[in-house]
Amino acid sequence: GAGVSQSPSNKVTEKGKDVELRCDPISGHTALYWYRQSLGQGLEFLIYFQGNSAPDKSGLPSDRFSAERTGGSVSTLTIQRTQQEDSAVYLCASSPLIGFGYEQYFGPGTRLTVT
Amino acid sequence: LAKTTQPISMDSYEGQEVNITCSHNNIATNDYITWYQQFPSQGPRFIIQGYKTKVTNEVASLFIPADRKSSTLSLPRVSLSDTAVYYCLVGDGRAGNNRKLIWGLGTSLAVNP
Repeated sequence: GAGVSQSPSNKVTEKGKDVELRCDPISGHTALYWYRQSLGQGLEFLIYFQGNSAPDKSGLPSDRFSAERTGGSVSTLTIQRTQQEDSAVYLCASSPLIGFGYEQYFGPGTRLTVT
Repeated sequence: LAKTTQPISMDSYEGQEVNITCSHNNIATNDYITWYQQFPSQGPRFIIQGYKTKVTNEVASLFIPADRKSSTLSLPRVSLSDTAVYYCLVGDGRAGNNRKLIWGLGTSLAVNP
């Protein structure tokens, strides 16, 4: 079946501009995660959605970052007034929320470059 | 959350067995051990997960000693396509707590011809 998809795959933007990154999770997965990965680094958690519960925004680095998840499916991560330090790969993952397990299904990521 | 330590890099040759050891001295009773694989320009991919003793699937084996303070990911007969970064993660196995996992730098495995 279809995996997690993200768009765009690459985004180059000028400092100060706003960007929107999109994630389409696997159908039926109630949990959705956004991460950021800088070059040569591990993943940094940003935000988590689970069903209709309030999202866990504890990982967002500043108030320039926000995310929405509409209808329990597609999610959009928005970065306002982008800065050069925002340059990274933004990864989305989804998982079913049943039982135990850490199996998250990741998308290919969006590579954001802020010039 | 248990901190993990794993080698930054490893080298191997095609056809060899590769063992990557991860230490997690502060692992808690409820913690599971999970390994992910990441290829360049891709998101991580789940490989294997275990709690104790040995777990085997079609891709790898995971060995966990009785004290659970370390674990070893074993990749049998690696090929060039196994060149990737491997992450060891330790944390509460309850679904949804994935977001609390700490992703370190992982182990960069290079498989040579």
